[in-house]
Amino acid sequence: QKEVEQNSGPLSVPEGAIASLNCTYSDRVSQSFFWYRQYSGKSPELIMSIYSNGDKEDGRFTAQLNKASQYVSLLIRDSQPSDSATYLCAANFGNEKLTFGTGTRLTIIP
Amino acid sequence: DTAVSQTPKYLVTQMGNDKSIKCEQNLGHDTMYWYKQDSKKFLKIMFSYNNKELIINETVPNRFSPKSPDKAHLNLHINSLELGDSAVYFCASGARGANTGELFFGEGSRLTVL
Repeated sequence: QKEVEQNSGPLSVPEGAIASLNCTYSDRVSQSFFWYRQYSGKSPELIMSIYSNGDKEDGRFTAQLNKASQYVSLLIRDSQPSDSATYLCAANFGNEKLTFGTGTRLTIIP
Repeated sequence: DTAVSQTPKYLVTQMGNDKSIKCEQNLGHDTMYWYKQDSKKFLKIMFSYNNKELIINETVPNRFSPKSPDKAHLNLHINSLELGDSAVYFCASGARGANTGELFFGEGSRLTVL
């Protein structure tokens, strides 16, 4: 079964530091990867998508993909209390659906 | 204007009852989904429709019946509710193909079965 795995946390990071969230996936043929942010009691919101090896930066967020290692990560620079949320990693295994990991709960400590 | 809207937001009901959740999207997407999120926050796909055609039907009890009258609407009817059906149900829409995975979610419908 094709899976996405994340450390459930919680991960606590001081305000202003870099938060690093990691995700591994089981299928080498996966082509596209996504990070969603979900605040407590709210719906998931797409924050980053990455389709090729390397880094992709968007503001304070950087997604990193290493297909050889089947590894995708999300870095949040200059972490803010408003970044406190659950971060869901997801992969499209080419079967018309998105498979989510269990999420990592991130807390930014002021 | 809400992009993906679902109603109701909250449902509280007794075991054995039947309930429905409605979803509408105004983003012009061809594909709509139902996801279930359990108490541990695990988000699992249930169904997917593309332009009114069912394309994904995960291992879901047949008490769950989706219906898509047109590509902007996807409803979910649940018969004979069980305790284990308690969860948040999210509707989502997105594009098909290379960008499958860039989804827009509704606010969720929290179902509590007593």
